[in-house]
Amino acid sequence: EPEVTQTPSHQVTQMGQEVILRCVPISNHLYFYWYRQILGQKVEFLVSFYNNEISEKSEIFDDQFSVERPDGSNFTLKIRSTKLEDSAMYFCASSGVGTNYGYTFGSGTRLTVV
Amino acid sequence: AQKVTQAQTEISVVEKEDVTLDCVYETRDTTYYLFWYKQPPSGELVFLIRRNSFDEQNEISGRYSWNFQKSTSSFNFTITASQVVDSAVYFCALRAFSRTGTASKLTFGTGTRLQVTL
Repeated sequence: EPEVTQTPSHQVTQMGQEVILRCVPISNHLYFYWYRQILGQKVEFLVSFYNNEISEKSEIFDDQFSVERPDGSNFTLKIRSTKLEDSAMYFCASSGVGTNYGYTFGSGTRLTVV
Repeated sequence: AQKVTQAQTEISVVEKEDVTLDCVYETRDTTYYLFWYKQPPSGELVFLIRRNSFDEQNEISGRYSWNFQKSTSSFNFTITASQVVDSAVYFCALRAFSRTGTASKLTFGTGTRLQVTL
């Protein structure tokens, strides 16, 4: 069964550093997403991406965040200058054309900012 | 605006008991999708079910069953004869239908932590 792959599974970074979280969505999916889950809390939408541009973003997704699809397979989330409160699990997801297609999550990257 | 409410923060049962996890949603859309995900201690989100708003048939999959009632905006999840391996956090989520075909996000509830003990 096709999977969404996220790397790394765990990243520790110092406050103020830039991090890039990587995702390989399912190959025939066209819509890509990032979600965040602070420890013990609910999963929150960050951003959706389609046709090489952001479709929607939440208020969490401020200027410190950016997304990119640098090639035909990767989808990245960059946090420019990490803060302690950015520590969370970050999930990538992808979906196909039309809402009948599956919505598949990756296994997540646990980001720890120290 | 969309909202998903899971009023039960934590439920504790003894193995073999049946347990129902509640989910109530709010949306103005007439077409939408409802999901349940399981999050074990390892942290990944495991897809359990997707149901569209036009299909109110209840579904059973092994020990799992789902009761979708549009009249009460609820999509409850029952585990029959619970097992220790069912211990996890369970999330209900809502996705709007997009007529323009653009990406549509999932709105999650706050989750219910299920603890099954021997």
